[in-house]
Amino acid sequence: DAKTTQPNSMESNEEEPVHLPCNHSTISGTDYIHWYRQLPSQGPEYVIHGLTSNVNNRMASLAIAEDRKSSTLILHRATLRDAAVYYCILVYGQNFVFGPGTRLSVLP
Amino acid sequence: DVKVTQSSRYLVKRTGEKVFLECVQDMDHENMFWYRQDPGLGLRLIYFSYDVKMKEKGDIPEGYSVSREKKERFSLILESASTNQTSMYLCASGCWPRDRVVPNYGYTFGSGTRLTVV
Repeated sequence: DAKTTQPNSMESNEEEPVHLPCNHSTISGTDYIHWYRQLPSQGPEYVIHGLTSNVNNRMASLAIAEDRKSSTLILHRATLRDAAVYYCILVYGQNFVFGPGTRLSVLP
Repeated sequence: DVKVTQSSRYLVKRTGEKVFLECVQDMDHENMFWYRQDPGLGLRLIYFSYDVKMKEKGDIPEGYSVSREKKERFSLILESASTNQTSMYLCASGCWPRDRVVPNYGYTFGSGTRLTVV
């Protein structure tokens, strides 16, 4: 399975943008890039996914490098409710494997 | 909204007991998954299923089995519970077809079952 690498933790101030990086240098042409987040005491929650082009939805934006070896999840204005563990995952077919993720702290 | 419902939020069982964890989804999804989550180890895939009566082993299937008799229900079975199976168990479902037609959403997780084996 292709692997992803993320920083263990990041901090952000409330109402500022947050850029969460993910490296996936062994990505294959058919892997989709998914992002999930897990709030305390809850199951993971889908955030966004993409293949080659940048993607936007109501929760976040996903910027994918031209060579697809890295991507960045962008939260445009962090709130205290965005404090969570964020997972970047490569998905092919039915199986997807979680790494340790990035723990995001949001400071008031 | 898609709902994935896990039958119990908290469960305490004795060593050696047979334990059933139930998961039901209401969106006619083909794919269903069972993970366990432990501090420092993250989420690890136990089993998954992409169709009724189909199952595939994940990374840590030992000590577990699964059942998928109906499309909406995916059960995780601990044949003889042991203390090292104390964990948070998470079920997920989604529609990620093998023909590579991509739906505009990801997988949906349940809220989890925290199982303690004593």
